[in-house]
Amino acid sequence: EAQVTQNPRYLITVTGKKLTVTCSQNMNHEYMSWYRQDPGLGLRQIYYSMNVEVTDKGDVPEGYKVSRKEKRNFPLILESPSPNQTSLYFCASSLGVVNEQFFGPGTRLTVL
Amino acid sequence: AQSVTQPDIHITVSEGASLELRCNYSYGATPYLFWYVQSPGQGLQLLLKYFSGDTLVQGIKGFEAEFKRSQSSFNLRKPSVHWSDAAEYFCAGPNSNSGYALNFGKGTSLLVTP
Repeated sequence: EAQVTQNPRYLITVTGKKLTVTCSQNMNHEYMSWYRQDPGLGLRQIYYSMNVEVTDKGDVPEGYKVSRKEKRNFPLILESPSPNQTSLYFCASSLGVVNEQFFGPGTRLTVL
Repeated sequence: AQSVTQPDIHITVSEGASLELRCNYSYGATPYLFWYVQSPGQGLQLLLKYFSGDTLVQGIKGFEAEFKRSQSSFNLRKPSVHWSDAAEYFCAGPNSNSGYALNFGKGTSLLVTP
């Protein structure tokens, strides 16, 4: 089944404790993205990747890192999480930026 | 930079009535534009997209959207709303700073009343 998977689905952590949210797709898509969704703000793109080893900042990259060492995986790294990073995070993939994006189920992160 | 805006935060329509959700864009070149729907507790699903060609685009679930360059708009329409259409709707398009980044509107929450 074609899908985007994210792990974990739910995470409660404390300020400053490094964490990684994994994202994997099995559709051989080149374009992958991370978004955060906050009430009243819609979805905001954090980082995107156009292909392996090619990443770039979206609208809200501060406090996040990403890597794209393999085509299928696009982990999101929070080196030192802070409470303002409490949010619902979505990973998405597509053939390209002009194509339909397939979204993962979301990761709800709470930083205390 | 916010290149896609949705002026309406909430819209309430009666079941069976017609629906129009507004989306405006600010992008110099011909943009690619999308409408996505998010049901409560779910991820996002593509309703339709415009890339080029016909300005009236048909999507899933009976939705359509019309690209109007003169009005910088890409409004979503449905002739008769069903209770199951209650959801959050997002318009998306290229980020004005980079054509490879995506910009989503803040969303319009649709409530359907009996």
